[in-house]
Amino acid sequence: EPEVTQTPSHQVTQMGQEVILRCVPISNHLYFYWYRQILGQKVEFLVSFYNNEISEKSEIFDDQFSVERPDGSNFTLKIRSTKLEDSAMYFCASSGGVGNTGELFFGEGSRLTVL
Amino acid sequence: RKEVEQDPGPFNVPEGATVAFNCTYSNSASQSFFWYRQDCRKEPKLLMSVYSSGNEDGRFTAQLNRASQYISLLIRDSKLSDSATYLCVVNKRFGNEKLTFGTGTRLTIIP
Repeated sequence: EPEVTQTPSHQVTQMGQEVILRCVPISNHLYFYWYRQILGQKVEFLVSFYNNEISEKSEIFDDQFSVERPDGSNFTLKIRSTKLEDSAMYFCASSGGVGNTGELFFGEGSRLTVL
Repeated sequence: RKEVEQDPGPFNVPEGATVAFNCTYSNSASQSFFWYRQDCRKEPKLLMSVYSSGNEDGRFTAQLNRASQYISLLIRDSKLSDSATYLCVVNKRFGNEKLTFGTGTRLTIIP
């Protein structure tokens, strides 16, 4: 079964450092997303990406965040200068393939710990 | 008012029992509705979509009441493997899935 894959599974970084989280969405999907979940809290939408541009972003997705699809397969989330409050699980997701049902397919997540 | 509101639980239920979860949402323009399941420290996975006519998938039944902005999930004959957090999820549109998640209801099935 096709799946969304994410790397790294866990990254520890110092406050102020740049972090890049990588994702390979399901190959025939058209929409790509990043969500995050702070420990003990709900899953929150960060950004959606379609047709090589951001289609929507939340208020969380400020100027320190950026996304990119550098080639035909990878979808990355960059955090330029990490803060303590960026510590969370970051989930990549994709949707919108043939026979789209509206289901989001999530990757297993990248746990980011900012020290 | 929270966009999607759920009782956080925890619900501790004996194996074989029936358990029901409820959820309310604030945006009357919401278009699609789901129940996702999340195991501890794992990604959310779709359990089932929720339709106005109600829908059933094996031991699971979901209902939607648009007038009351209320969604429910019923699990019959609960099994140990049903232990998880159940997330009520709402979307304002179809095709670009900016999902709004509830905080989830934690369920533990007791042997």
